[in-house]
Amino acid sequence: EAQVTQNPRYLITVTGKKLTVTCSQNMNHEYMSWYRQDPGLGLRQIYYSMNVEVTDKGDVPEGYKVSRKEKRNFPLILESPSPNQTSLYFCASSYSGGAYEQYFGPGTRLTVT
Amino acid sequence: LAKTTQPISMDSYEGQEVNITCSHNNIATNDYITWYQQFPSQGPRFIIQGYKTKVTNEVASLFIPADRKSSTLSLPRVSLSDTAVYYCLVGLKGTARQLTFGSGTQLTVLP
Repeated sequence: EAQVTQNPRYLITVTGKKLTVTCSQNMNHEYMSWYRQDPGLGLRQIYYSMNVEVTDKGDVPEGYKVSRKEKRNFPLILESPSPNQTSLYFCASSYSGGAYEQYFGPGTRLTVT
Repeated sequence: LAKTTQPISMDSYEGQEVNITCSHNNIATNDYITWYQQFPSQGPRFIIQGYKTKVTNEVASLFIPADRKSSTLSLPRVSLSDTAVYYCLVGLKGTARQLTFGSGTQLTVLP
């Protein structure tokens, strides 16, 4: 079954404690991206990757890091989380960028206290 | 990037056909029109995509007039489980950035 998986699904942490949210896809997609969704602000792209070792900033990259060492994995790293990063995070993959169909993961709800 | 305008919310009753219109006056020649559905706390799900005229799949139909300045997503005989936010996105395939998800249309299906 074609899918995007994320872990963990829920995470409560404290300010400054480094964390990683994993994302994996089994569709051999070249393009992967991370979004955050906040009430009233919609889905905003954090980072994206057009292929292995190729990453770039989206609309709201501050406070986040990513890496793409393997085609299937695209982890999101918060080196020093702050309360304003409390949000619902989605990983997505697609054949390419733009209007190609995106497949979204189930989401990770992060709370930073 | 083409800007889209959709109604903020719509109500319907079970069994009715629902039409959600999206306005995209500055759509470019090679832009595609794509619709996604999102349930609370879930990732968006691709519904349908079109370039011109009409596209139909097992879930919905997409009507695009000749000038392509608007499009209408049609959901036949909705049920309570169709209550969700529906997003209209317009743009090219293969660009570096993904298309922007706007505020979408909150569809509420009533019994």
